[in-house]
Amino acid sequence: QVQLVQSGGEVKEPGASVKVSCRTSGYTFSKYGVSWVRQAPGQGLEWMGWVSSNTDKRKYAQKFQDRVTMTTDTATATAHMELRSLTSDDTALYFCGRVPTFYYDSSGYYPSNMDVWGQGTTVTVSS
Amino acid sequence: EFVLTQSPDILSLSPGERATLSCRASQSVRSHLAWYQQKPGQAPRLLIYDAVKRATGIPARFSGSGSGTDFTLTISSLEPEDFAVYFCQAGAFGPGTKVDIK
Repeated sequence: QVQLVQSGGEVKEPGASVKVSCRTSGYTFSKYGVSWVRQAPGQGLEWMGWVSSNTDKRKYAQKFQDRVTMTTDTATATAHMELRSLTSDDTALYFCGRVPTFYYDSSGYYPSNMDVWGQGTTVTVSS
Repeated sequence: EFVLTQSPDILSLSPGERATLSCRASQSVRSHLAWYQQKPGQAPRLLIYDAVKRATGIPARFSGSGSGTDFTLTISSLEPEDFAVYFCQAGAFGPGTKVDIK
C-alpha cells in the first residue's frame, strides 16, 4: 500500500538547519509531487511548499521562501525538506504529503490536495 | 495575500445531528479546494478534493459543495468518530473548525 515514512525527531539549536526526509513506497514516485506542512503545538496546519515529481516546478509559501529548500531523489523515492536559520518559532510537527496533480493560474503553478500523509517528524528548536 | 477563513471556530453538536462547515477564500480557487479531518495525535486525513469528490474510503455521510470562493463541508449524521478538527485547503490551509460533542 501507499506509504510515506518520515525521518525521526530532531532537536536543534537556534540558528541551525534541519533536514527532514520522507521515504515513499507503494506507488510510482515520479508521477506525484510532495507538499510539506507543519503544525506548531496546539495550532493549525501551515502549508510550507510543494515540489513537483520531477522537481521542475516548485512553490514555497512566501514566509519560508528565503530559508527552505525542497528536493526529491527519484533513485530512492525520497523527498527532503531543509529549513535553515531555525528559531524557537520553528518548533513544530512537520508532515510530508503526496500530491496527485498541480494547477496553473496567474500566480504560477500550485499543488492540488495531499492524498496520503507521512506520520510527522517533530522538530524542536531550543538552546 | 491569499487567505482561507473557516466558520464557525467551534461547532457543538450531538451524534446523529447534521454538521455544516464553511470555508471562504479571499480570491477564487475555482473548484480546487480540499477538506481534511484531523484527530489528536494523528496526521490529517483527506476527506474531499476538487470541492465535491470524496476521497477513497470516505463514508457517504461526508459531502462537499461550492466553487469559486465559498465552500461547504456537510456531515449528514454525525458518528462518534467524526468529532475532530476539520481544515480546508487550497494551497494554504484555513484555521480549522472543531466539531465537538454537545
